Amino acid sequence: EVQLVESGGGLAQPGGSLRLSCAASGFTVSSKFMSWVRQAPGKGLEWVSVIYSDGSTYYADSVKGRFTISRDNSKNTLYLQMNSLRAEDTAVYYCARENTATTPYFDYWGQGTLVTVSS
Amino acid sequence: SYELTQPPSVSVSLGQMARITCSGEALPKKYAYWYQQKPGQFPVLVIYKDRERPSGIPERFSGSSSGTIVTLTISGVQAEDEADYYCLSADSSGTYRVFGGGTKLTVL
Repeated sequence: EVQLVESGGGLAQPGGSLRLSCAASGFTVSSKFMSWVRQAPGKGLEWVSVIYSDGSTYYADSVKGRFTISRDNSKNTLYLQMNSLRAEDTAVYYCARENTATTPYFDYWGQGTLVTVSS
Repeated sequence: SYELTQPPSVSVSLGQMARITCSGEALPKKYAYWYQQKPGQFPVLVIYKDRERPSGIPERFSGSSSGTIVTLTISGVQAEDEADYYCLSADSSGTYRVFGGGTKLTVL
């Protein structure tokens, strides 16, 4: 059974940093494309970043240069390092596994972890 | 940057048909996917590859595509269908994933 469990959310100050983790089970993270998707309170879904099975990474313009996606194959875990945090980064962050048979989409989601950026 | 456009809200009477559209320049070349999200829950896929229905999704959910517009149709809307609906696709390069702004479906 595929499971994704996020952790690492919490309160951060503007300009601060947080690292989110997503522990996967039931499949191998390194063999799939994996993404982070976020949702600000009362707002819509926003794709944040993807890491391909070959290690290539891509980011939404809103986080480029501040966030870094990575994975630890030995721990079967996905990460999102978030630096220079802003109030507008406040959101529930979901990790999601991608199905890339055609146009990519998300076939499994975690429950999400809340990040609040506030002084 | 690439955008997908959805109406912010759609209202429909119980048992009637609801249609939610999503428009985007790359949709003739890229598939669209539809997600249903209820408060406090993660999104659930209800339509994939424009018109395919995952197992476990009721037959009243269907999808269609015409040029730059894809449409989610819910026939015989039930009270439990009240939720936010998001379309998902990718830009023409296939690199950047994009969600529509979401449509709040209200069942009257």
